[in-house]
Amino acid sequence: GQQLNQSPQSMFIQEGEDVSMNCTSSSIFNTWLWYKQDPGEGPVLLIALYKAGELTSNGRLTAQFGITRKDSFLNISASIPSDVGIYFCAGRRGSEKLVFGKGTKLTVNP
Amino acid sequence: EAEVAQSPRYKITEKSQAVAFWCDPISGHATLYWYRQILGQGPELLVQFQDESVVDDSQLPKDRFSAERLKGVDSTLKIQPAELGDSAMYLCASSRQGLNTEAFFGQGTRLTVV
Repeated sequence: GQQLNQSPQSMFIQEGEDVSMNCTSSSIFNTWLWYKQDPGEGPVLLIALYKAGELTSNGRLTAQFGITRKDSFLNISASIPSDVGIYFCAGRRGSEKLVFGKGTKLTVNP
Repeated sequence: EAEVAQSPRYKITEKSQAVAFWCDPISGHATLYWYRQILGQGPELLVQFQDESVVDDSQLPKDRFSAERLKGVDSTLKIQPAELGDSAMYLCASSRQGLNTEAFFGQGTRLTVV
């Protein structure tokens, strides 16, 4: 089946720092999504990308749909303590089911 | 703000017992999904409904799992008998019908099989 490689697995940063994480696939996708999940809660959609090269922002979050269609990146600027959580990428090809990465666990030290 | 409702939030059951989870999607959302999320992993799709019809249950272990959405609104996922390896978070999500309509997730049911 399709595999998504998400990195890094975990990050420990200081409040105020910028964060970058990425997701790569062995297959071409035409949709990339980024979710955040807090402990004991369901994932919440942050950003949706539908076009190769697309760059989309949501507040301090910016995500890009890679030109090759096999990768996507999420950046968080000026991190704050409430950014703590697990960030998941997810990709979809056509009408096929959504495939999730294993997540990047973010810890922000005040 | 509309949200996907799930119950119970937590469930502890003994192995070989039956367990059921309930989901009420956002009003007007024709598509409903059940996902299983093992600790340290991303969610994996178990079953997808379009209205009352199953459109994808290829990853549902049908010997013990069943899902229904009889009136095309709320849905129930059942496990019988439960096994230790079924311990996980069970997430329900729903979306509108159509292209580029993404799913909203509920808070999930945390199942522990002992």
